[in-house]
Amino acid sequence: DQQVKQNSPSLSVQEGRISILNCDYTNSMFDYFLWYKKYPAEGPTFLISISSIKDKNEDGRFTVFLNKSAKHLSLHIVPSQPGDSAVYFCAVTTSGTYKYIFGTGTRLKVLA
Amino acid sequence: NAGVTQTPKFRILKIGQSMTLQCTQDMNHNYMYWYRQDPGMGLKLIYYSVGAGITDKGEVPNGYNVSRSTTEDFPLRLELAAPSQTSVYFCASSYPDPRTSGSVTGELFFGEGSRLTVL
Repeated sequence: DQQVKQNSPSLSVQEGRISILNCDYTNSMFDYFLWYKKYPAEGPTFLISISSIKDKNEDGRFTVFLNKSAKHLSLHIVPSQPGDSAVYFCAVTTSGTYKYIFGTGTRLKVLA
Repeated sequence: NAGVTQTPKFRILKIGQSMTLQCTQDMNHNYMYWYRQDPGMGLKLIYYSVGAGITDKGEVPNGYNVSRSTTEDFPLRLELAAPSQTSVYFCASSYPDPRTSGSVTGELFFGEGSRLTVL
């Protein structure tokens, strides 16, 4: 049973426009959320995180939004750049468990 | 600046063979993890460790074993390789996030991955 879902396997966006990647989770006990980016033949790298006490966190072009009542997480990239083309994973955890559960990933392609 | 190092990067095994995937980190992180990624799928947690001598099962532990005798090393052992274990394996490490008083791990630092094929 998938606890963390990224329902869009792929997304194409024009350079300069906004990319919105979505993530849904089932367990309300999750209280810390991260986004990772993965290029081919490399390990995932950390992008941005958010705690359940916030509903928004911003870092440069990247903003993560958390809607706890809907159990929904989203990552906004503005403006999108060709170098952002990668697979994006959301990851969730519960305080004190020390382990993350990952979503299935969304492949983003930014078209020049 | 090595970070998390995994070896080997590629390996082909025959059904029933055994092997160990090695993982070393030089960041003095308490927490270490093994994930596998199957095509079109997310990362599934196999085993994790919160410190030397302490390991625990993740989502998909069957067919694997781990040990953590030092802070730096976290090898993953496949005893009887099966085609279902064909995957890319990632080792990761992390630390208690001071922003959460240590109750949550900080971000995971991943190795480059080990691609394993079982024929």
